[in-house]
Amino acid sequence: QSALTQPASVSGSPGQSITISCAGTSSDVGAFNLVSWYQQHPGKAPKLLIYEGSKRHSDLSNRFSGSKSGNTASLTISGLQAEDEADYYCCSYAGSQIYVFGTGTEVTVL
Amino acid sequence: EVQLVESGGGLVQPGESLRLSCEISEFTFSLYWMTWVRQAPGKGLEWVASINNDGSAKFFVDAVKGRFTVSRDNAKNSLYLQMNSLKTEDTAVYYCARFGVTNALDVWGQGTTLTVSS
Repeated sequence: QSALTQPASVSGSPGQSITISCAGTSSDVGAFNLVSWYQQHPGKAPKLLIYEGSKRHSDLSNRFSGSKSGNTASLTISGLQAEDEADYYCCSYAGSQIYVFGTGTEVTVL
Repeated sequence: EVQLVESGGGLVQPGESLRLSCEISEFTFSLYWMTWVRQAPGKGLEWVASINNDGSAKFFVDAVKGRFTVSRDNAKNSLYLQMNSLKTEDTAVYYCARFGVTNALDVWGQGTTLTVSS
């Protein structure tokens, strides 16, 4: 049940695209198509962005997209906006009804 | 509006017990698996426990096995986390969250804070 590995921080200028990686193993990210991504603003509860690897939740902007290759999932934010400045967490099913979160990435809009 | 509201957090000493509650509204509680997620101060999210829709199956992260238990009362639209033998490392904001048809946590409460300190 080790946490998935994410970069501690990623930054970009408004309008640019950034990608956050989420490295797991063949027992979690690589084994199932059940990676989700969450956005958390300071002092707030997390909010679901992406589920089942690449599906956008609710009315999420298509600026957010998810993908997976092997044991690594990724979240891409295109057309970066000031409101995207937040912490982002990936989460993967790890079998036996256990889920594991990533270490979290702080996104800064320069 | 679909809503989850946690309560029961507070300051306790190591070794003590506490029960957190999560009241839900505006969705059919009995249809959904539920989870507890925690976040230690300045740290990331940690999946703590899950319970299936009728309460017959429960799952825990290794760090709390044997100390925490999760339960629910579908008639009262409430989810609970009973925490025993608390340790300083259990200090965190505890969130309840709904495990939706999306196979993800699609609704979250605002969190309740537990501090374990002598």
